[in-house]
Amino acid sequence: GDSVTQMEGPVTLSEEAFLTINCTYTATGYPSLFWYVQYPGEGLQLLLKATKADDKGSNKGFEATYRKETTSFHLEKGSVQVSDSAVYFCALSDVTGGSYIPTFGRGTSLIVHP
Amino acid sequence: ETGVTQTPRHLVMGMTNKKSLKCEQHLGHNAMYWYKQSAKKPLELMFVYNFKEQTENNSVPSRFSPECPNSSHLFLHLHTLQPEDSALYLCASSQDMGGKNIQYFGAGTRLSVL
Repeated sequence: GDSVTQMEGPVTLSEEAFLTINCTYTATGYPSLFWYVQYPGEGLQLLLKATKADDKGSNKGFEATYRKETTSFHLEKGSVQVSDSAVYFCALSDVTGGSYIPTFGRGTSLIVHP
Repeated sequence: ETGVTQTPRHLVMGMTNKKSLKCEQHLGHNAMYWYKQSAKKPLELMFVYNFKEQTENNSVPSRFSPECPNSSHLFLHLHTLQPEDSALYLCASSQDMGGKNIQYFGAGTRLSVL
C-alpha cells in the first residue's frame, strides 16, 4: 500500500536558521502531495501542495518541490521564526478503488528558540 | 477557524460509558472523515463518508460506530472503550473524494478512557 516517511523529530533550531524536513513516499498511482501543519491545541491545516512532478508548492516562506524521480517532497524554509514551532505532516492522496484516500506521515515536531 | 467544529473538545469516560463525538462543517463539502491521532503514531484514518455514504472503514473495532445523517454532520458513537482508545480524534472534510482536494480539519476531541 501507499506510505509516507518523514524524518524523526523533534527538530530544534534557533530563530532565522534554515529548515529542511525530509519526506519520501511510496504510491501505486500518481499521487498529489501535501504538507499540513498542526499548531498546539489545533487541528491540521494545509500549508502547501503540489499535484504533479516538478511542481513547487509555497506558502508563508515554506517551499516543497514534487520530485517524482526520487519520490520526495522535502519541506524547506530559509529563515524560521518562533511562531513556526508546530508539528508538520507530509501527506499524499492516491486513488484506491476509484476514490482518493489520504495517507499521512507520522509528523515532525519543529521547535524554534529565540 | 477552519469551518469544521468538533464538540466536545475534551471528554473523559469510563470503560462502560456511552458517549458521542460531534463534527459539523459549514463549507458545503461532501466528504467527511474521522481520524485517530495518538502520540508517536501516524494519523490513522478510521472512517470516510462521501455524499452521506460510508466508503471506508479501516478495520475499526465495533465499539466505534459512525453516523452521518447529512453532509454537514458526522458523529462518532463510543461504547465500552478501552484505555488504549485514549487519543485525539480529528474530524475533517473535503469538497469530495478527488485527488487534489484539500482536507479541512477540526480542532479535535481529546478523549481519555479511564
